[in-house]
Amino acid sequence: EAGVTQFPSHSVIEKGQTVTLRCDPISGHDNLYWYRRVMGKEIKFLLHFVKESKQDESGMPNNRFLAERTGGTYSTLKVQPAELEDSGVYFCASSQVEEPLRETQYFGPGTRLLVL
Amino acid sequence: DQQVKQNSPSLSVQEGRISILNCDYTNSMFDYFLWYKKYPAEGPTFLISISSIKDKNEDGRFTVFLNKSAKHLSLHIVPSQPGDSAVYFCAVRPGGSQGNLIFGKGTKLSVKP
Repeated sequence: EAGVTQFPSHSVIEKGQTVTLRCDPISGHDNLYWYRRVMGKEIKFLLHFVKESKQDESGMPNNRFLAERTGGTYSTLKVQPAELEDSGVYFCASSQVEEPLRETQYFGPGTRLLVL
Repeated sequence: DQQVKQNSPSLSVQEGRISILNCDYTNSMFDYFLWYKKYPAEGPTFLISISSIKDKNEDGRFTVFLNKSAKHLSLHIVPSQPGDSAVYFCAVRPGGSQGNLIFGKGTKLSVKP
């Protein structure tokens, strides 16, 4: 079974540019999460999809971040325009809804974003 | 303010010995706790979890202990192996059955042969 995949693995952009990150969850997983780890800090929650619906987007830092999950499959996270403080590693995770009491989130390898 | 604290950024242990990683949390309402392991350039991998109705959960060489009154949990690895060298993250799930995780900053474990 394929795990969570993320593209690209690395991205270096200039301040003010736009970047789109993609996450493909494990097939059949309805829950999809985005997290971010800024250098030296903890991994922080950004938002949670259940299928194509945003269940919780309380962690989104501001309106420069836009997440979508059209059709309930893969998800994209767009940062527009990017700022220096957006640099970090963006992780995606997915899980199955059928096991809520023992929900295990499976993480992708992350996208390393550097804004110069 | 951090809700999940891992006060030791690093830990070095000799192969075969016990590794003890610690984690403190601030909210007594938290009821589900997890440990994730992370290798460089990879995403976190689920290791073991415990709910607040228990005080211990064991899986092979890994045991998690929960002390609710102290709001403290620990991960014991015994015996430690060089392949256990990684960053270990403590996490809580405030939403109960599912939902987002709140992570600590992680502890880098080095197991020396």
